[in-house]
Amino acid sequence: DAGVIQSPRHEVTEMGQEVTLRCKPISGHDYLFWYRQTMMRGLELLIYFNNNVPIDDSGMPEDRFSAKMPNASFSTLKIQPSEPRDSAVYFCASRFRQNQETQYFGPGTRLLVL
Amino acid sequence: DQQVKQNSPSLSVQEGRISILNCDYTNSMFDYFLWYKKYPAEGPTFLISISSIKDKNEDGRFTVFLNKSAKHLSLHIVPSQPGDSAVYFCAANLNAGGTSYGKLTFGQGTILTVHP
Repeated sequence: DAGVIQSPRHEVTEMGQEVTLRCKPISGHDYLFWYRQTMMRGLELLIYFNNNVPIDDSGMPEDRFSAKMPNASFSTLKIQPSEPRDSAVYFCASRFRQNQETQYFGPGTRLLVL
Repeated sequence: DQQVKQNSPSLSVQEGRISILNCDYTNSMFDYFLWYKKYPAEGPTFLISISSIKDKNEDGRFTVFLNKSAKHLSLHIVPSQPGDSAVYFCAANLNAGGTSYGKLTFGQGTILTVHP
């Protein structure tokens, strides 16, 4: 299994631009999570999906952030417009419902907003 | 409100000695705790876990201890090896009323450096 796949691995953009991060979960996993990692706050959960349906988006910082999961094998996290304080590493993770706690993380997308 | 806290941003240990990483939590509804390990430019990977009904779980060189009354858990690595140098995150799963919320709350992480 290829594991959780994220793209791009690195993104540099200018303030005000739209940023789209992509994730392909492990096949068969029915939960998908988006996290943001910063030095100050560690790993923060932004949103998670179960069977492609958003369950909890309470961690999404602002309306500038949105996430979709159009099918079981693809999800996007969009920031529009981006701001310098959005600079962080964004991780996607997935898990199978029978393994209720352990999540499998992708390699992350390092985002820098200038 | 940081419900899971790792108060030591970093820890430096000599190879062969014990590494002890600490984690405190505030929510008594957490029922399952995990440690994840993260190398640079990679995502976190699961290391070891413990249910709230236990006070110790051991897996090779790694042991996790849970003190529910103090709302504290720790990860012991014995003996420490240079390859253990990484960021360690503790995480907790919320269960309220018998329903697992299915999401983890992570601490800020502790950078462990093991010197040869």
